Amino acid sequence: GENVEQHPSTLSVQEGDSAVIKCTYSDSASNYFPWYKQELGKGPQLIIDIRSNVGEKKDQRIAVTLNKTAKHFSLHITETQPEDSAVYFCAASPQPRNFGNEKLTFGTGTRLTIIP
Amino acid sequence: GAGVSQSPRYKVAKRGQDVALRCDPISGHVSLFWYQQALGQGPEFLTYFQNEAQLDKSGLPSDRFFAERPEGSVSTLKIQRTQQEDSAVYLCASSLRFRTSTDTQYFGPGTRLTVL
Repeated sequence: GENVEQHPSTLSVQEGDSAVIKCTYSDSASNYFPWYKQELGKGPQLIIDIRSNVGEKKDQRIAVTLNKTAKHFSLHITETQPEDSAVYFCAASPQPRNFGNEKLTFGTGTRLTIIP
Repeated sequence: GAGVSQSPRYKVAKRGQDVALRCDPISGHVSLFWYQQALGQGPEFLTYFQNEAQLDKSGLPSDRFFAERPEGSVSTLKIQRTQQEDSAVYLCASSLRFRTSTDTQYFGPGTRLTVL
């Protein structure tokens, strides 16, 4: 099955600086890679996702890059703000067949702290 | 519109008790997933429904875990004879399910189960 590794496990950056979180995956059949933000006591919230036919995607201060050959993808947050403090999870999912299972395999999470 | 809702938000059970956790997915969403999130870890897949059909239950840790979605909307995860190792946050997610691509999974707030 799929195995997703994520690092670092904790990350502290000064407000206004950039943060980068990296993930690797093992299953070459995976082709959908979402990133979730989870705040204390809440469920994961999708912040950005990328599919394997795209190398990079950007949404305001957040960007994700994907290298299918190396089987790794990264989350980039620029101009960080205190409200970016949370736990971030990467995940991977295979292309579903007609009635297949699009289950997500998650990384172990990165606790991001923005220092004011 | 309303997101995924789960109830109860918190559940304390004595070891050996049975518990039932409820998930109300986003209206019209075909796919429904249950995940288990241990403290400090990423969510781990338990089971998957497409409408009322349970197509994958490979992640259920033992036969004490049972899930159903009889009418293709609300789902219940039942744990019989709870053990301390069952203590975790149980997350439900739903997705609209387009046939040819992996669709976004929207998560509920989770139910935190504590087994004493």
